[in-house]
Amino acid sequence: SQQGEEDPQALSIQEGENATMNCSYKTSINNLQWYRQNSGRGLVHLILIRSNEREKHSGRLRVTLDTSKKSSSLLITASRAADTASYFCATGANSKLTFGKGITLSVRP
Amino acid sequence: GAVVSQHPSRVICKSGTSVKIECRSLDFQATTMFWYRQFPKQSLMLMATSNEGSKATYEQGVEKDKFLINHASLTLSTLTVTSAHPEDSSFYICSAGAGVNQPQHFGDGTRLSIL
Repeated sequence: SQQGEEDPQALSIQEGENATMNCSYKTSINNLQWYRQNSGRGLVHLILIRSNEREKHSGRLRVTLDTSKKSSSLLITASRAADTASYFCATGANSKLTFGKGITLSVRP
Repeated sequence: GAVVSQHPSRVICKSGTSVKIECRSLDFQATTMFWYRQFPKQSLMLMATSNEGSKATYEQGVEKDKFLINHASLTLSTLTVTSAHPEDSSFYICSAGAGVNQPQHFGDGTRLSIL
């Protein structure tokens, strides 16, 4: 069953702007992961944050995790047209992942 | 990074045909692989967890006799959709995991279309 719920469902921004995507979940987790999917392709792992971590950075990506609120956010700074894709949060428990519905990000050049 | 190869990328076949999809981990040994199904503009739904050398664990509602999974080696898992029908048309994606608190590495998916 789906656990993660992303917000918003769709986001359209101008190149150079920042994109913020949110994810909420319901049960206990070992970690929370964000993935990207280009149309018709598999998923690419972006970043993993463990349940005992609060913030993590990777290049232009910043992820936060608030286990008390059962929520996470993904920030993409200085967006590029190539960032256009679907983004999924996934909660990890016992090696299995449960995915949210995804956010469609469109970055206009 | 870790590479997972999935083959074929696209299958179009007649109703009643059985279709085999392969998932290979190219540069690491995967004791556990996962099979997902994705409908258009929807999320990934886990179908089953494939364990090397043992029977797969299927999620609730997934017919094990319909979706046969074999994980005969540490680098190969196969999903066979038996006697496929139009309602089995979907995007099937495999992944290989390295354990708890590790990312999964995904294949590029297989678009299955049953006529």
